[in-house]
Amino acid sequence: DIVMTQSPDSLAVSLGERATINCKSSQNVLYDHNKKNYLAWYQQKPGQPPKLLIYWASIREIGVPDRFSGSGSETDFTLTISSLQPEDVAVYYCQQYYGTPATFGGGTKVEIK
Amino acid sequence: EVRLVESGGGLIQPGGSLRLSCAASGFTFTKQWMSWVRQAPGKGLEWVASIKQDGSENFYVDSVKGRFIMSRDNAKNSVYLQMDSLRAEDTAIYYCARHQEDTNYRAFDYWGQGTLVTVSS
Repeated sequence: DIVMTQSPDSLAVSLGERATINCKSSQNVLYDHNKKNYLAWYQQKPGQPPKLLIYWASIREIGVPDRFSGSGSETDFTLTISSLQPEDVAVYYCQQYYGTPATFGGGTKVEIK
Repeated sequence: EVRLVESGGGLIQPGGSLRLSCAASGFTFTKQWMSWVRQAPGKGLEWVASIKQDGSENFYVDSVKGRFIMSRDNAKNSVYLQMDSLRAEDTAIYYCARHQEDTNYRAFDYWGQGTLVTVSS
């Protein structure tokens, strides 16, 4: 199984400041055939299901604010919130869908400093 | 509007069985792979099972193989998760999730609100 490791476990950022979350996969999730990274990011607020933010490592889902961006390739990925807003307080998960089982990172809790 | 509505959760004793349902609407159900994903209380996300559009192919996480069966009824736009020989470690919120596009190897773009399964004596 592909193991997804996120860091940090939690971070506190001031409103309007940048938040950066890292995700590392134990195997390459870049598929040579189509040059796509099989990596997604989700946001989960308390009491709610996860919401897809980013897929193919860097493509924002429709309706996701452009302050959210994804980057990286192969085994190392980053989710960046460029200017933290109060509604961004949540837990964020990365997920690989390159192999079965699909696997998630342990989550990163983002709070306001 | 895409909607996924789970039902069937509850309190069950260890060794017991439970059947979860997920009713889908707002999209062409027969075009999508579907999955179940669970989340133990206060913990992270774990993919459990997935099923192909016509039900001809399934995948399961190792910890539920031989105990859980995922199925679908395309006439009812529904997927199911039959859970047998339940263990305390199966306690979780179970989410129904839709795969993007029409293959197994895609992100989950819509999720239901989840149904809570508690395995305890």
